[in-house]
Amino acid sequence: EPEVTQTPSHQVTQMGQEVILRCVPISNHLYFYWYRQILGQKVEFLVSFYNNEISEKSEIFDDQFSVERPDGSNFTLKIRSTKLEDSAMYFCASGDRYNEQFFGPGTRLTVL
Amino acid sequence: AQSVTQLGSHVSVSEGALVLLRCNYSSSVPPYLFWYVQYPNQGLQLLLKYTSAATLVKGINGFEAEFKKSETSFHLTKPSAHMSDAAEYFCAVSTGFQKLVFGTGTRLLVSP
Repeated sequence: EPEVTQTPSHQVTQMGQEVILRCVPISNHLYFYWYRQILGQKVEFLVSFYNNEISEKSEIFDDQFSVERPDGSNFTLKIRSTKLEDSAMYFCASGDRYNEQFFGPGTRLTVL
Repeated sequence: AQSVTQLGSHVSVSEGALVLLRCNYSSSVPPYLFWYVQYPNQGLQLLLKYTSAATLVKGINGFEAEFKKSETSFHLTKPSAHMSDAAEYFCAVSTGFQKLVFGTGTRLLVSP
C-alpha cells in the first residue's frame, strides 16, 4: 500500500540554524500539506501546496518557513532560523481527489 | 472559520465496553469530517470520514461515527473496546481540498 514517507525521523539542531524536513508524498497525489504538533498539543495546519504553489498558509507559517517541491517527488519544509518554540513533531500529508489526507510518520524536531 | 471541539481529554473504558468519543464541529459551509487515530510515537491514521454521503460512516477496526447536522456532532463509537484501541483520537473538519482543522484530541485508555 502506498504511503507517505518522511526523513529524518528525528532532527536535533541548534537555535538559529536552518533545517530542511523532507517528505515523499504518495505518487499520484496532487495536494500536499505540512502540519505540526507541539508535544501534548493538537495538530496544527502550517501550509498547503497545490499546482506548484502555496494554496493556503496559517499565521504560524511566517517568513522563516518555506516549502518546495524541487523534483516532482519530494516535498520539503525549510525553517531558515530555528527557534526554541519550533520544537515539535512535523507531519507531511498528501491528498487525493477523495478529500482524504494521508499522513507520514512525522519528523521530531528538537531545537536546543 | 471552522472549528472542532472534543469533549473529554481522557476517556477510560474497560475492555469489552462501549467506546464513545465526542466531537462537535462548527462550519459555515457543509463540512467534511474525519476521525484520525495516533498511536504513541506514530503518525496519524485515518479511521473514517464523512463527505456528504451516508450519515452513518463505518471505518476501520470496528469504529463508526454518525453525522448529525442538527446537533453539529460527529461522535465516534465502537461497541466493544479492545486493549489495542488505546491511543489518541483526533476529530478534524475541512471543506474539501483544504486544511484539516483538528480538535485537541481524546486519549482513550482501556483497562482489562
